[in-house]
Amino acid sequence: QLLESGGDLVQPGGSLRLSCAASGFTFSSYAMTWVRQAPGKGLEWVSVISGGGGTTFYADSVRGRFTISRDNSKNTLSLQMSSLTAEDTALYYCAKVSYSSGWSNDCWGQGTLVTVSS
Amino acid sequence: DIQLTQSPSTLSASVGDRVTITCRASQSISSWVAWYQQKPGKAPKLLIYKASSLESGVPLRFSGSGSATGFTLTISSLQPDDFATYYCQHYNFSSWTFGQGTKVEFK
Repeated sequence: QLLESGGDLVQPGGSLRLSCAASGFTFSSYAMTWVRQAPGKGLEWVSVISGGGGTTFYADSVRGRFTISRDNSKNTLSLQMSSLTAEDTALYYCAKVSYSSGWSNDCWGQGTLVTVSS
Repeated sequence: DIQLTQSPSTLSASVGDRVTITCRASQSISSWVAWYQQKPGKAPKLLIYKASSLESGVPLRFSGSGSATGFTLTISSLQPDDFATYYCQHYNFSSWTFGQGTKVEFK
């Protein structure tokens, strides 16, 4: 199970930190991703972090502004977002990567809403 | 970057219809394709992985096929619970890409 939190209304240029609490699986054994969905739009991959936390990748749209991290001792995934713009307004999902399922996402949280507006 | 283009964007169908959704890649992506179903207000649900493997618990009326640049998701007999938006997804070892989605609605 995955449970996101931290979504809020933030002003353009501001920062926000999202969290995702994991349970029911060996968290440190799996890569984790963030995927977002703007209102009424499709899915957009944001970032991924390896199980150990040593490898990270980002979408071009967020690279340099967002930082993904994890605390395996607390089974928690995080996304630090800065220099936010209206284009970052979206529902942010965390999702588990399934190696046995072709690196697809077999478990998703319910999402946390980030609204960037003045 | 690899682009995924789904067609159609919207599909009108009736219960019992056979439905096919296509996902085309801008370059060959082997079989690293997954399909998801998303209902309003809900998180996506994995249906198919590695182009044709059915995720555990997903009804057998769902199937996937294809390779290289062309992939399809087929629902053999559309059920009321299947009206939703479907997305294809590709993984390329450092990023994931989604198609723009196909909404399956009541005819």
